[in-house]
Amino acid sequence: ETGVTQSPTHLIKTRGQQVTLRCSSQSGHNTVSWYQQALGQGPQFIFQYYREEENGRGNFPPRFSGLQFPNYSSELNVNALELDDSALYLCASSIGQLSYNEQFFGPGTRLTVL
Amino acid sequence: GQSLEQPSEVTAVEGAIVQINCTYQTSGFYGLSWYQQHDGGAPTFLSYNGLDGLEETGRFSSFLSRSDSYGYLLLQELQMKDSASYFCAVKGAGNMLTFGGGTRLMVKP
Repeated sequence: ETGVTQSPTHLIKTRGQQVTLRCSSQSGHNTVSWYQQALGQGPQFIFQYYREEENGRGNFPPRFSGLQFPNYSSELNVNALELDDSALYLCASSIGQLSYNEQFFGPGTRLTVL
Repeated sequence: GQSLEQPSEVTAVEGAIVQINCTYQTSGFYGLSWYQQHDGGAPTFLSYNGLDGLEETGRFSSFLSRSDSYGYLLLQELQMKDSASYFCAVKGAGNMLTFGGGTRLMVKP
């Protein structure tokens, strides 16, 4: 059983550019959540996808968007990058729509916006 | 909205017991979870409390009091490898998992 994987590991972009981050869920998991973690802070919930539908969204602007594919892998897209978008982006997979319990996190993508 | 409060830093010695507290305010409540994150690593799940009381998993225990909007994580027989950040997280309305700011635990020999 493979765990959650994310790509790329690191990314450097300039302000105003667009970025796509990718996540492969753990086998058998149909729910993916995305988080932004600034240095020294807790992860902040961006949104969750369940069976290809957005299933919950945190306090992030519309330039943060996502997709979930039929194999339950997922993408996070961020348009018009700002300096404050520099952070570790984590995805987490779980089973079921009402994911009360354990989420399995990937290693994250470190995004730097210059 | 949802907010969680936990101490920013705790220091303890190897072999000791440490308790990390978490108080929360949330619209809708579906349980309190705890995650551990080592520097440069991903958060890993430690425990979940959906109902009041104590849950024990090896050296780690977690407690919840819904009437007090309060929980804690108890780590026993501390080891150097327990040095990490610990986050409480609340599942509230809208499938949103809200994390606290994290408690950095330093275990000294």
